[in-house]
Amino acid sequence: QITLKESGPTLVKPTQTLTLTCTFSGFSLSTNGLGVGWIRQPPGKALEWLALVYWNDDKRYTPSLKSRLTITKDTSKNQVVLTMTNMDPVDTATYYCARLDFWSGRDFDCWGQGTLVTVSS
Amino acid sequence: QSVLTQPPSVSGAPGQKLTISCTGSNSNIGARYDVQWYQQVPGTAPKLLIFGNSNRPSGVPDRFSGSKSGTSASLAITGLQAEDEADYYCQSYDSSLSGWVFGGGTKLTVL
Repeated sequence: QITLKESGPTLVKPTQTLTLTCTFSGFSLSTNGLGVGWIRQPPGKALEWLALVYWNDDKRYTPSLKSRLTITKDTSKNQVVLTMTNMDPVDTATYYCARLDFWSGRDFDCWGQGTLVTVSS
Repeated sequence: QSVLTQPPSVSGAPGQKLTISCTGSNSNIGARYDVQWYQQVPGTAPKLLIFGNSNRPSGVPDRFSGSKSGTSASLAITGLQAEDEADYYCQSYDSSLSGWVFGGGTKLTVL
């Protein structure tokens, strides 16, 4: 059974750095073709892909936020960490991590429950 | 403004057939990148409904089907049920953005 779970602060102040951790089980990020990505969803709005790290440590970022994002993986701990600098109230959203299986064509086939992050002073 | 365009809402009576469209461009759907569809019940995480344009993960009822043509894709739901009431998102990959893109979402209401 594949599970993912996001963890991190629920409230951050403007200009602070957000650090979110995705802890997963049921698969290994050392397996060829797998990746873990982060997707966010502001309240009442659509999904937005942020970043993804592949099994081979190839990293991708959405262009509009690339300067603020860093994604890393710790294969031994089954964790993927996303950091986002210079947080702003418009970054208030539910942040999800999700698995991607490149060879089977299953983009984001398993999702975490999400964690709501509020940016406010 | 989402890269993929979906109608904001659709509605239908139980038992009816509905179709949700997803329009992209030559840098995503039209560039032969696959389309995925997700179902999101309010307050819960999205769930993969269709992958690779028309494939259903195990456990997804065959009432749900997907198709793709040119720069557009569609999700069809037959035999509409009350439990189908949710938000639906299409998703693909965009070569000009070098990343994954989602539609703006469609709220399905069962009358």
